[in-house]
Amino acid sequence: GESVGLHLPTLSVQEGDNSIINCAYSNSASDYFIWYKQESGKGPQFIIDIRSNMDKRQGQRVTVLLNKTVKHLSLQIAATQPGDSAVYFCAENFGGSQGNLIFGKGTKLSVKP
Amino acid sequence: DAEITQSPRHKITETGRQVTLACHQTWNHNNMFWYRQDLGHGLRLIHYSYGVQDTNKGEVSDGYSVSRSNTEDLPLTLESAASSQTSVYFCASSEDLRRETQYFGPGTRLLVL
Repeated sequence: GESVGLHLPTLSVQEGDNSIINCAYSNSASDYFIWYKQESGKGPQFIIDIRSNMDKRQGQRVTVLLNKTVKHLSLQIAATQPGDSAVYFCAENFGGSQGNLIFGKGTKLSVKP
Repeated sequence: DAEITQSPRHKITETGRQVTLACHQTWNHNNMFWYRQDLGHGLRLIHYSYGVQDTNKGEVSDGYSVSRSNTEDLPLTLESAASSQTSVYFCASSEDLRRETQYFGPGTRLLVL
């Protein structure tokens, strides 16, 4: 039967603090990674992406770090705001499957005012 | 503005009925995808298409079918709805094989009684 984990990992931060959300990816051949934000009742929304030839990429208030040695991806959100409260999940481009992405299960970010 | 839409947004049906969920994108993207999202499983790929007349099975394709008669639309059909197909369904599209970022629709919440 299926194994079901009903509870997402949750990160609770104070408004104004920085948030770090982590993701372990599965395939060392993956060469493209994306972070998505999903608010309650909505579809996933693209935040930032990074290719495997980079270690770091910055956007507006967000930074993605890639550590290929340990297959780890992180999303840093600066000066977290209540509007950042959502589920965040990473996706990897699984090598050999053109255009297909493998998605992580996500982390719920809760911002306390 | 270009966008991706899904209809209906909510659907209640009975076991054994055929159900079709619509997905329409105006970005002129070649690639389109259907996912289901369930607690504990994240996003799972049902079917995908790389262009007109092209369709492929994903991870959880049993009981579902798609057709791609034009660039804009990828309808998802549940041949004979089952309670196990109660879920939230998301459609996504991406531009081409090297621009893997997928953009998601708002989702369809389906309840099979």
